[in-house]
This record gives sequence, structure tokens and C-alpha cells, in this order.
Amino acid sequence: NAGVTQTPKFQVLKTGQSMTLQCAQDMNHEYMSWYRQDPGMGLRLIHYSVGAGITDQGEVPNGYNVSRSTTEDFPLRLLSAAPSQTSVYFCASSTPVTYEQYFGPGTRLTVT
Amino acid sequence: TQLLEQSPQFLSIQEGENLTVYCNSSSVFSSLQWYRQEPGEGPVLLVTVVTGGEVKKLKRLTFQFGDARKDSSLHITAAQPGDTGLYLCAGDAGNMLTFGGGTRLMVKP
Repeated sequence: NAGVTQTPKFQVLKTGQSMTLQCAQDMNHEYMSWYRQDPGMGLRLIHYSVGAGITDQGEVPNGYNVSRSTTEDFPLRLLSAAPSQTSVYFCASSTPVTYEQYFGPGTRLTVT
Repeated sequence: TQLLEQSPQFLSIQEGENLTVYCNSSSVFSSLQWYRQEPGEGPVLLVTVVTGGEVKKLKRLTFQFGDARKDSSLHITAAQPGDTGLYLCAGDAGNMLTFGGGTRLMVKP
């Protein structure tokens, strides 16, 4: 099993550009989440999904969109990148019983 | 928003020393998880505590959940350089986890 995979690993965007961060898991987990990690602030939840076709907002959803058409994939879209979105982004999957998160390796995004 | 505060934020110790990291909240959580994160990687789950007062041991690491399920501690005995990393606690707030700000631990040989 590959677990949770994320692409790309690094990305540089100019302000106003859009892009999609990819996330896939092969553990058949129902729950998937996107977090951003900024220095000294731990992990903050952006969006999450409890199953295919169902998504909901987390703590910091503004400027991001998600969709969940399959159990395996949960892409995160930045609509119009801003310097405040410079961060490390982690995708995670979990089961609905324990919420124990399996994290991907992260995407380091810089917006100039 | 349910907040989790971790202390200390930074800790630098010598190999062989003991240490305790704290995770505190004014909110009650149904469970609490501890993760360790190494540079350039995603966090990895260490343990989940569920019952108030529960104590779990993982080799030299001892985790405790407060009686009221509002706080937790991680104690490391005889720290090793391999324990170096960012330690994160996360509380189950129903459908999502709330993470603390993390404790960055450095163990010097």
C-alpha cells in the first residue's frame, strides 16, 4: 500500500494564479482532510470529506475549494493564489471510528 | 473553536534527560491523539487516549489523559537523539480534529 500520496511536493505560484493540489489514498478510508501548517500554528483544517460526494468546511476554508467524486481522491483547488496561502499543505485520511489521521508527505507552496 | 495549547513550544535537552510535554484545553474531548513529525514529512500517529485518567506506554514514552478529558501529557524517559522532532497533540471535536501548536524537541548527543 502506498498510503496517502500528494503531488506536487513543491510549487511556486504567482499571485492570482490557480492550481490544484492532488491527494490520493489506497486504504479505502471514508474520511479525508486537508490541513495547512504554518510556523508555530500547528495544523489547521481547511476542508474535509466524510465520504464520496460529501464535503464540508474546516477552520480556514476561504480561498480553497474541494470535491470528492471517488473514495480515493480528494483534490484541493486554490482559486486565486495569495501570498497568505504560502504554507505546507497536508492531506490525510482516516476511518470514521477513531479519526486517527494518516498523513501524506505534504506540498510546500510558495506564492509570490 | 476548541483550542489546544501545548507547552513548552521549544525544548532542547541532552541525551539521557527526562522531559514532559503538556497539552491543555478548557474543552472536553472524546479522545486525544499524539503525533510526531520529522522535517519534510507528514505527522505520524503515536497514540490515542480515550478514557479519562488513561495511561499508555510506548517504550520510553508515557502518555496520560486527564481525568476530565481536557488535558494530556507526554513524558519521555532517557531521551535519545532519535526522539528529536515536532510533537503535536490533537483532540477529537466530533467529525474533525483540533491540533495544538506543537512542541519542537531537540535531543543533543
